[in-house]
Amino acid sequence: EVVMTQSPATLSVSPGERATLSCRASQSVGNELAWYQQQRGQAPRLLIYSASTRATGIPARFSGSGSGTYFTLTISSLQSEDFAVYYCQHYNNWPPWTFGQGTKVEIK
Amino acid sequence: EVQLLESGGGLVQPGESLRLSCAASGFTFSSYAVSWVRQAPGKGLEWVSSISAGGSNTFYADSVKGRFTISRDNSRNRVDVHMDRLSGADTAVYYCAKAPRGQLVPFEHWGRGTLVTVSS
Repeated sequence: EVVMTQSPATLSVSPGERATLSCRASQSVGNELAWYQQQRGQAPRLLIYSASTRATGIPARFSGSGSGTYFTLTISSLQSEDFAVYYCQHYNNWPPWTFGQGTKVEIK
Repeated sequence: EVQLLESGGGLVQPGESLRLSCAASGFTFSSYAVSWVRQAPGKGLEWVSSISAGGSNTFYADSVKGRFTISRDNSRNRVDVHMDRLSGADTAVYYCAKAPRGQLVPFEHWGRGTLVTVSS
């Protein structure tokens, strides 16, 4: 099973600032990596797939990068609606398609 | 508009069974794989099970293998998961999620979830 490790657990950022979240896989997952956003009390929403492709309707301030075992999600200028929990998930080969434990982005 | 609506959650006692359903609309249901993902209270996301578009391939997390059974009825646009021998570790919000066409993952659309509580 591929273990996904996200860091930091919590990121305190001021509105308008840049946020960079990390996700590391215990073995190579190629570029088969997705990022999800979950706002409080809501279902997750797909932000990024194939490591760097934005899902439909996702603003350009969200960008993903990386391949193999190390990935990042960058939010270029945080808006109020971006304060949420973010999860990475690999989908390389066969299941289990594991998620990271999440990074909470909070207002500084 | 893609819609996924989960139902069937509730309070059950340890050892009991429960069936969750996911009703889909707004897309050609028979062309898309569907999965269940759960989230225990205050915890992260856990992939539970997936079923291919035609229903011939099913996949399970080790934590539910042998206890959960996923199925689908493409004539009724519905995916079910039958859960047996439930325990407190199965307490969670269960989300139904849809993958892009031709894929099992990632999950591009999600339902709002249904809460399952296992407690005596």
